[in-house]
Amino acid sequence: DGGITQSPKYLFRKEGQNVTLSCEQNLNHDAMYWYRQDPGQGLRLIYYSQIVNDFQKGDIAEGYSVSREKKESFPLTVTSAQKNPTAFYLCASRREGVNEQFFGPGTRLTVL
Amino acid sequence: GQNIDQPTEMTATEGAIVQINCTYQTSGFNGLFWYQQHAGEAPTFLSYNVLDGLEEKGRFSSFLSRSKGYSYLLLKELQMKDSASYLCAAVRGATNKLIFGTGTLLAVQP
Repeated sequence: DGGITQSPKYLFRKEGQNVTLSCEQNLNHDAMYWYRQDPGQGLRLIYYSQIVNDFQKGDIAEGYSVSREKKESFPLTVTSAQKNPTAFYLCASRREGVNEQFFGPGTRLTVL
Repeated sequence: GQNIDQPTEMTATEGAIVQINCTYQTSGFNGLFWYQQHAGEAPTFLSYNVLDGLEEKGRFSSFLSRSKGYSYLLLKELQMKDSASYLCAAVRGATNKLIFGTGTLLAVQP
C-alpha cells in the first residue's frame, strides 16, 4: 500500500538533546513538507522540499534542520536551539502538478 | 499580509446541517482546501476549490468566492463521527505552500 509513514508516533526527549523525526513516502511524490501543530493553532510550515537535494525554509524554520538525500525520505531534526519543541509534527507530500498534500500520521514530541 | 480566519468552535445537532466559514487574505492565491482532522490524527482531504462556485461531494459541499476571499464548508445530515476539527487552507503561490487557519472544532450532539 502506498502512503506516508512517520515514526515513532510518540517521542520523549530531555531538554538540550537533538532529536530526528522520520518521514518516508512511497507515493513517488516530488514535494515534501514538515508542519508543526500546537493546541489551538493551525499548522505552521517548518521546511519544504520540492526536489531531491534541495529544500527551503518555511515560516518557522529556526531551531530545525532537514535533509533530502532521497526522494522517499525527508527527516526533520529538532535541535536544542528550538525553544519550544513540544508539539505535534506532521509530514506531508505532494505530486508535481497537483495541489493536494497528503499527510502522514504525525509524531507527538514531548521534551521534558 | 497573509491571514486565514475561521471560527474556533461550533456545536450542531445530529442530523442537522452546519456551515463553517473561512475568510482568507494571501498573495498569489491558487485555491483553497478543506481538511478534516480528528484529535491526534493526521488531516484528511475533504475538498479543493480553485474556481468560484460550489463543489458537492456526498454530504459535504464547499463553496469559494475569490473576489470576496471567502469559502465555506457545508456538512449535511450530521453524524456523531463528524465531530472533529475542520481546517481551511489557502494555496499560496507557485510553490503551492499551504496557509492554514486555526481550525474549527465541531461538536455534534445527539
